[in-house]
Amino acid sequence: QKEVEQNSGPLSVPEGAIASLNCTYSDRVSQSFFWYRQYSGKSPELIMSIYSNGDKEDGRFTAQLNKASQYVSLLIRDSQPSDSATYLCAVNMGGGYNKLIFGAGTRLAVHP
Amino acid sequence: EAQVTQNPRYLITVTGKKLTVTCSQNMNHEYMSWYRQDPGLGLRQIYYSMNVEVTDKGDVPEGYKVSRKEKRNFPLILESPSPNQTSLYFCASGDRGFTEAFFGQGTRLTVV
Repeated sequence: QKEVEQNSGPLSVPEGAIASLNCTYSDRVSQSFFWYRQYSGKSPELIMSIYSNGDKEDGRFTAQLNKASQYVSLLIRDSQPSDSATYLCAVNMGGGYNKLIFGAGTRLAVHP
Repeated sequence: EAQVTQNPRYLITVTGKKLTVTCSQNMNHEYMSWYRQDPGLGLRQIYYSMNVEVTDKGDVPEGYKVSRKEKRNFPLILESPSPNQTSLYFCASGDRGFTEAFFGQGTRLTVV
């Protein structure tokens, strides 16, 4: 079983809609969770981090974490064509492991 | 400007010819890591370093070497490259605990 799993997509949404990206992880001791955005041919950039159960909002982005279900999600409200990219979920087990484990990414396409 | 710098950005080489990809960060980060990214597989960790002279294997270390003689530099060495090492490589750095990873621009390596 992969440690961090994401649906590869593509997830296609119309402009202005809500895009919902999901991620599950296998290690129960995981403590830190991140969403990175990667445009084609570019390096990943951090857009959200979340450490405790519940929701965390930052502008049009909301990260949701449910540790009991080992599930983390990213909602993008009012999706724009510029949001079209691959979104990578990353998990850090903490406890001194200092290891970020990435999912394979979900490709999001926002069409006008 | 805070950044992680990789060189070269693009490299085409022949099987068996030793090469080095350099990585340098100016954020005084303790933690540095190398990833390779292949279609459908996401980012896979090759090696990481928690401080000067402290390195350890990631998930796919075979065929690679690293060294950490200075805090800012973390070169990736391919002693005898093979075609299956054709990939997109990223260097990343972060603070202790690796709560956020900063990525270099990437190095696209082709081994023929």
